[in-house]
Amino acid sequence: EADIYQTPRYLVIGTGKKITLECSQTMGHDKMYWYQQDPGMELHLIHYSYGVNSTEKGDLSSESTVSRIRTEHFPLTLESARPSHTSQYLCASRGQGPNTEAFFGQGTRLTVV
Amino acid sequence: AQSVTQLGSHVSVSEGALVLLRCNYSSSVPPYLFWYVQYPNQGLQLLLKYTTGATLVKGINGFEAEFKKSETSFHLTKPSAHMSDAAEYFCAVNNAGNMLTFGGGTRLMVKP
Repeated sequence: EADIYQTPRYLVIGTGKKITLECSQTMGHDKMYWYQQDPGMELHLIHYSYGVNSTEKGDLSSESTVSRIRTEHFPLTLESARPSHTSQYLCASRGQGPNTEAFFGQGTRLTVV
Repeated sequence: AQSVTQLGSHVSVSEGALVLLRCNYSSSVPPYLFWYVQYPNQGLQLLLKYTTGATLVKGINGFEAEFKKSETSFHLTKPSAHMSDAAEYFCAVNNAGNMLTFGGGTRLMVKP
């Protein structure tokens, strides 16, 4: 069964705090992605990875950083949270081949106060 | 680069009515196309996908989509809307580097 997990689901944090959003998948996918999405709006790709030790910035500039030390794990870190970072963050993974679908986690809704 | 355009950011239908959500793509090569659904405060879930073969693709929850190369379209339909179909729907196309490019989304509202 395809599983991809994000924690926490909801997070309210003060300005200036460092936070890490967790994303793990059990499907052995090499490709993983982070999207930022404001409520009811389109998805913006902020980071992606093609495998261990591979990370790239996406189309939307983001102050966050990512790491990929293990295949199954792709955490996203904000060193100093700001109210402008308030959004929903979606993690996804995808298998090999252009005909494969991406699997999404349930998302983390971040609010910075 | 391949891209998708979803016509209509909001679509409202009555319960029991036909659902039609539009997606047009641009691609210089045969496209791989996907429809996803997103319920409030959830991630995206695959409804259906077109890769090769039959141009009419059936998905989950009674949805289907037809790939029309001549019209560069991949519209999503359902014969009879249910209240539970109210959600955000995203069309996507496979792009260079095996990236998925998403459309802007269409919010489907179902009136009782």
